[in-house]
Amino acid sequence: NAGVTQTPKFRVLKTGQSMTLLCAQDMNHEYMYWYRQDPGMGLRLIHYSVGEGTTAKGEVPDGYNVSRLKKQNFLLGLESAAPSQTSVYFCASRSLSGELFFGEGSRLTVL
Amino acid sequence: KNQVEQSPQSLIILEGKNCTLQCNYTVSPFSNLRWYKQDTGRGPVSLTIMTFSENTKSNGRYTATLDADTKQSSLHITASQLSDSASYICVVSASGGSYIPTFGRGTSLIVHP
Repeated sequence: NAGVTQTPKFRVLKTGQSMTLLCAQDMNHEYMYWYRQDPGMGLRLIHYSVGEGTTAKGEVPDGYNVSRLKKQNFLLGLESAAPSQTSVYFCASRSLSGELFFGEGSRLTVL
Repeated sequence: KNQVEQSPQSLIILEGKNCTLQCNYTVSPFSNLRWYKQDTGRGPVSLTIMTFSENTKSNGRYTATLDADTKQSSLHITASQLSDSASYICVVSASGGSYIPTFGRGTSLIVHP
């Protein structure tokens, strides 16, 4: 029972490079979310999706894009990475009862 | 604007002692409140959920309370263990079709032997 799986777990980028974080869930959840977590800031919502083919902006969407082509997958892209995007990224999916299930996080460093 | 405030920001206690974490919210209309535990380097995991009609709920050594009138919740940890060292996050959801829960910034708890 994998739950929510994030790949990669660690990545180092140079400023201006691009990358994609993959989130996969096997619980058939409709709602999925991408958060970033920085020291002292808590979890902040980047983008979210309420179903296959839909995406919406969260609190801090600038510099990120997302896609939800399949229900089980939610991709987070950085087109031109900046040092301010150094953070730990968490994906979550939401059950019908409203409980959030989180992945183990992806630690990104932008040099 | 929906907000969730947690206190204290950090807490250090000795193993075996009790502690209480606080959460105040202004989310409206209120649906439910969850406490999550986040171990270092891991994703948050749900500990307990409180709905409008519930004022106390226990999960082992964890007891959550809710006062919907004052919009306050607390998480009480009894007989703390080293494994309780973690960040505890209060998350409040609104009713009426909202998909976005409101997160507190968390309380960092350190339990010393």
